[in-house]
Amino acid sequence: EAGVAQSPRYKIIEKRQSVAFWCNPISGHATLYWYQQILGQGPKLLIQFQNNGVVDDSQLPKDRFSAERLKGVDSTLKIQPAKLEDSAVYLCASSPISGSTDTQYFGPGTRLTVL
Amino acid sequence: LAKTTQPISMDSYEGQEVNITCSHNNIATNDYITWYQQFPSQGPRFIIQGYKTKVTNEVASLFIPADRKSSTLSLPRVSLSDTAVYYCLVGDRARGSTLGRLYFGRGTQLTVWP
Repeated sequence: EAGVAQSPRYKIIEKRQSVAFWCNPISGHATLYWYQQILGQGPKLLIQFQNNGVVDDSQLPKDRFSAERLKGVDSTLKIQPAKLEDSAVYLCASSPISGSTDTQYFGPGTRLTVL
Repeated sequence: LAKTTQPISMDSYEGQEVNITCSHNNIATNDYITWYQQFPSQGPRFIIQGYKTKVTNEVASLFIPADRKSSTLSLPRVSLSDTAVYYCLVGDRARGSTLGRLYFGRGTQLTVWP
């Protein structure tokens, strides 16, 4: 079974530029998550999708971050404009359904550096 | 939001048993306790999950006392490849729905020495 795919793996941009990350979850998984992991900290949930609907985006900085899940499968996370404090690893995860007891399967992440 | 507290770091030697304890005083009745492992440059990976008493799989054991205010992850006979960050999580059921949000703390950095 293929895992969660993410691209790119690394991205370096200057502040005020825009960037987009892509995630392809495990086939058949209804729930998709985007996390931000700052160096030395645990992952922080940014947004959770159930199929193509948003069920939790309370921790997403909506003035600069946006996300969508196309046809309930792939997802993109965008930052516009980027700030220095956005430097982090952005992790995508998926799970079969959506309960907090469900195992989440994580991708390798995209490491973003904002200069 | 059900948060957890665990040691920042632990050291062990190859072949030893490692026990990492996590406290979660505000755990709710329906919450489960889940542990994830994260290697550098990788996403977290599920290790084990439990509700009460003891759970064992091929990788680890999870001990949960009756009051469920803490849990202990036990890794038998660790090797160098077990060096990683271990996260203890408790499911947070937002606003009474069945949709949950997991809270990852800083985790425990386990270093295994030869």
